[in-house]
Amino acid sequence: NAGVTQTPKFQVLKTGQSMTLQCAQDMNHNSMYWYRQDPGMGLRLIYYSASEGTTDKGEVPNGYNVSRLNKREFSLRLESAAPSQTSVYFCASSEDGADTGELFFGEGSRLTVL
Amino acid sequence: KQEVTQIPAALSVPEGENLVLNCSFTDSAIYNLQWFRQDPGKGLTSLLLIQSSQREQTSGRLNASLDKSSGRSTLYIAASQPGDSATYLCAVVNNAGNMLTFGGGTRLMVKP
Repeated sequence: NAGVTQTPKFQVLKTGQSMTLQCAQDMNHNSMYWYRQDPGMGLRLIYYSASEGTTDKGEVPNGYNVSRLNKREFSLRLESAAPSQTSVYFCASSEDGADTGELFFGEGSRLTVL
Repeated sequence: KQEVTQIPAALSVPEGENLVLNCSFTDSAIYNLQWFRQDPGKGLTSLLLIQSSQREQTSGRLNASLDKSSGRSTLYIAASQPGDSATYLCAVVNNAGNMLTFGGGTRLMVKP
């Protein structure tokens, strides 16, 4: 049971570099999400995709872009990384919206921006 | 703006004790409330989901209650075990739909 798979698990970037975090789910879920988790701030929603072909901003979208490549995959891109983007990033999915069912999370991607 | 608070931030109990974790939220107009468990360095695992029309949900030794009108939920863990040691987070979905608002979590340590 793979569930939600994120890559890479760890990454170190220099300020200004770009990278893409990949996420894939094998549960045939319609909705996918990207969160970041910071000490003292809890988990905050960056972007979500309610269904294939749609994406919407969450609470903290600045500095990020997303792509819902197909039903399985939802990627998060940092075009020009900043130290403030040092965080643990979690991808999640749900069968439909978060208002109807539970969320399933990946194991996280730990990003450090120097 | 919805705010979710979890008290206490940390809790240490001896094995076998029954315990209660608290979650409060400021906006009672929610669709559902979900409790999660997070082990160090890992992702979140869903424990219980309570829809806004429900009062409680049970799974094994876990029981979660919801009082929408007072903006509170509790997670009751019976006969705690060292394997229950983890951070427990609650999150609510407000009427905006897809946005979960998380509390800061309670870090639980169950000592053998």
